[in-house]
Amino acid sequence: EAQVTQNPRYLITVTGKKLTVTCSQNMNHEYMSWYRQDPGLGLRQIYYSMNVEVTDKGDVPEGYKVSRKEKRNFPLILESPSPNQTSLYFCASSFQRALNSPLHFGNGTRLTVT
Amino acid sequence: SQQGEEDPQALSIQEGENATMNCSYKTSINNLQWYRQNSGRGLVHLILIRSNEREKHSGRLRVTLDTSKKSSSLLITASRAADTASYFCATDAVFYSGAGSYQLTFGKGTKLSVIP
Repeated sequence: EAQVTQNPRYLITVTGKKLTVTCSQNMNHEYMSWYRQDPGLGLRQIYYSMNVEVTDKGDVPEGYKVSRKEKRNFPLILESPSPNQTSLYFCASSFQRALNSPLHFGNGTRLTVT
Repeated sequence: SQQGEEDPQALSIQEGENATMNCSYKTSINNLQWYRQNSGRGLVHLILIRSNEREKHSGRLRVTLDTSKKSSSLLITASRAADTASYFCATDAVFYSGAGSYQLTFGKGTKLSVIP
């Protein structure tokens, strides 16, 4: 089944403790992206990747890192999480770099930083 | 980056009625997409309309695009309780060079409630 898989689904952590949210897609998509969703602010893009070893900042990249060493994986790293990073995170992928094709979303990771 | 804005923020209708949601955006686009999100779940793609298209249909969905007004509408006909969800429009952007951006920017969504 074609899908984008995020793990974990829920995560509670403390300020400053490094964490990684994994994202994997099995559709051989070139484009992958991370979004965060907050009430009243909608979805905001954190980072995106157009292909292996090619990443770029979105609208809210501060406090996050990503890597794209393999086509299928696009992990989101929070080196030192803070409470303002408490949010619902979504990974998404798309077949074409030009974004003329739909994004496929994972089921989300709900992160709480205390 | 530019952002689409949906209107209304919330909409409540009876089952069987039609639901219309609107999206406005600020700069030129290559395409506009509509997505649906059931409570707290991942977004699901509904329909993509290109800047040279004016109308597109998919089942009970009808999307229009007016590039002169920088706006789009999503019509759901004969709504069902299962259509209860949030609906988002998403746009890319066209740079002055004519190249398309690699960012897809989402609006804040319209929350649709369909009452059985």
